[in-house]
Amino acid sequence: EVQLVESGGGLVKPGGSLRLSCAASGFTFSSYSMNWVRQAPGKGLEWVSSISSSSSYIYYADSVKGRFTISRDNAKNSLYLQMNSLRAEDTAVYYCAREDPASSAFDYWGQGTLVTVSS
Amino acid sequence: QSALTQPASVSGSPGQSITISCTGTSSDVGSYNLVSWYQQHPGKAPKLMIYEVSKRPSGVSNRFSGSKSGNTASLTISGLQAEDEADYYCCSYAGSSTSNWVFGGGTKLTVL
Repeated sequence: EVQLVESGGGLVKPGGSLRLSCAASGFTFSSYSMNWVRQAPGKGLEWVSSISSSSSYIYYADSVKGRFTISRDNAKNSLYLQMNSLRAEDTAVYYCAREDPASSAFDYWGQGTLVTVSS
Repeated sequence: QSALTQPASVSGSPGQSITISCTGTSSDVGSYNLVSWYQQHPGKAPKLMIYEVSKRPSGVSNRFSGSKSGNTASLTISGLQAEDEADYYCCSYAGSSTSNWVFGGGTKLTVL
């Protein structure tokens, strides 16, 4: 069974940093691109970042470029999101999502972890 | 990259059909047959319902169907059921030179 479990969310002050993790199991993690998608309270989904299976290709939404860094450790079946210079508008539930190459869609999602940026 | 445009809400009675539109641009929806649709119930993670415009993942009811014309994609749900009440989001690939993926603003489906 495919499982994605996010962790690392919490309350942080504006300008602060946080590192999110996503532990993957039930599939060959090293074969899939992975993504972070966020959802502000009461708002819609926003794609944040993606990383290819071997970390060769990395992309970011303009809203986080230069502040967030996506990475992965295929030996540990884990995906990460280092978030720096956090702003109030980064407050959201952050989901990790598997990108299925056969469907070019996000076929599995974690349950999400809440990041709150507030003083 | 701007979000794709969806109606904020749609509604229908049980057994009826509804269609949710998703309008993008020639840089995303219009350029790629990589439109997907996600269903999200309150407090839950999104669930993939349609991929590559019109294909259904295994386990998704055939009451859900997708299509695309030009820069606009559509999700149709036929034979509405109470459990279909949820938020629906479209998503399109937008190319590797920009933000890879763009979502729609979401549509709240109410089953009357």
